[in-house]
Amino acid sequence: AQKITQTQPGMFVQEKEAVTLDCTYDTSDPSYGLFWYKQPSSGEMIFLIYQGSYDQQNATEGRYSLNFQKARKSANLVISASQLGDSAMYFCAMREGVEGSQGNLIFGKGTKLSVKP
Amino acid sequence: GAVVSQHPSRVICKSGTSVKIECRSLDFQATTMFWYRQFPKQSLMLMATSNEGSKATYEQGVEKDKFLINHASLTLSTLTVTSAHPEDSSFYICSARRRTGVRGTDTQYFGPGTRLTVL
Repeated sequence: AQKITQTQPGMFVQEKEAVTLDCTYDTSDPSYGLFWYKQPSSGEMIFLIYQGSYDQQNATEGRYSLNFQKARKSANLVISASQLGDSAMYFCAMREGVEGSQGNLIFGKGTKLSVKP
Repeated sequence: GAVVSQHPSRVICKSGTSVKIECRSLDFQATTMFWYRQFPKQSLMLMATSNEGSKATYEQGVEKDKFLINHASLTLSTLTVTSAHPEDSSFYICSARRRTGVRGTDTQYFGPGTRLTVL
């Protein structure tokens, strides 16, 4: 079974509107971390936001917020006021067992976001 | 955010030659670094985990003699693709784990990637 599922291969959003990118995860470990990365056409992976499994509040970083619903095992990324520069691939990732683990990330297949002017 | 550099950004080589890719964490010490491979329009595939001062841990199916990893210091890990062949052509990305000292908040920062083309 996939550990990280991103069901939207591609998304379109109008400039200045908000968009939600879906991510669900599967783990039996009580300790885990969830990450979102942006990969523009240049290839660089840019860290956007992090949510820990024990965090009580949803993470926010500027225009990015993470809608963390633990019971549903979902960690959707919300981008507010979309900009043309937001067009990129977006990857959701998880790290299990934050204590004493190697800490490698497990990635979803990604969602390609296209922002229309 | 933290900076991870990767060099070279692009390399073209002949079949049978070896290529070394360097990954450096510029403003933090990274006891753990990761090497990923990414095929076009696909997600990142973890190749190996590199630990400073010890042998790398390779994922299943990744040839350790083919992809040599050396984590010589807390800021440098190298990946050497030995006797490269056209099927090794890919986008290779390194990542460094930044430990914060606070439980569960370690973050992983990525280098800009190296595009390898083997002719």
